[in-house]
Amino acid sequence: DGGITQSPKYLFRKEGQNVTLSCEQNLNHDAMYWYRQDPGQGLRLIYYSQIVNDFQKGDIAEGYSVSREKKESFPLTVTSAQKNPTAFYLCASSIYLETNEKLFFGSGTQLSVL
Amino acid sequence: GQNIDQPTEMTATEGAIVQINCTYQTSGFNGLFWYQQHAGEAPTFLSYNVLDGLEEKGRFSSFLSRSKGYSYLLLKELQMKDSASYLCAVRGYSTLTFGKGTMLLVSP
Repeated sequence: DGGITQSPKYLFRKEGQNVTLSCEQNLNHDAMYWYRQDPGQGLRLIYYSQIVNDFQKGDIAEGYSVSREKKESFPLTVTSAQKNPTAFYLCASSIYLETNEKLFFGSGTQLSVL
Repeated sequence: GQNIDQPTEMTATEGAIVQINCTYQTSGFNGLFWYQQHAGEAPTFLSYNVLDGLEEKGRFSSFLSRSKGYSYLLLKELQMKDSASYLCAVRGYSTLTFGKGTMLLVSP
């Protein structure tokens, strides 16, 4: 079955540590996205990528980094510079970055700080 | 920039009809999406509107008025499994901006 796989489902970060969230898709989609969701808040865009080896900052990119070396993979690193990383992180993809293309979401990663 | 408003919470009874409103102010508009999200799970696509009017899809319908910056999601014949958060999202020039979501609680 085609879909988006995020791992791990739960992740704990120590102070000063970088952690990487995995996102893999086998839908052959060109565009991929990372969103952050806090309780009672909407999804906020961290980074997005329209094509391999290219990505753009979203609304809240500070303290995060991404790479897009393969079409299928779009990992997100939460760096030590992100002072409030506790949140639910959602990866998504769409066929293209076009106006009517719906997003397909992974099942999310809950990141907490120890 | 984008600003999207929707009610924080709504309650309804099984079998009833509920309307969830969404108002938006955007610098560009290329369509409005509704997603459903159960707690701790991924959002799933419900509907897309880019022209004014009503789009019906089974028990769910979505309406758009671009001149008023207004949309609603109509859920008919409510079921317990419809208890979830409903997210309104607007596509501007490129990416989607999401509202904070409306938590719908369906009671017996």
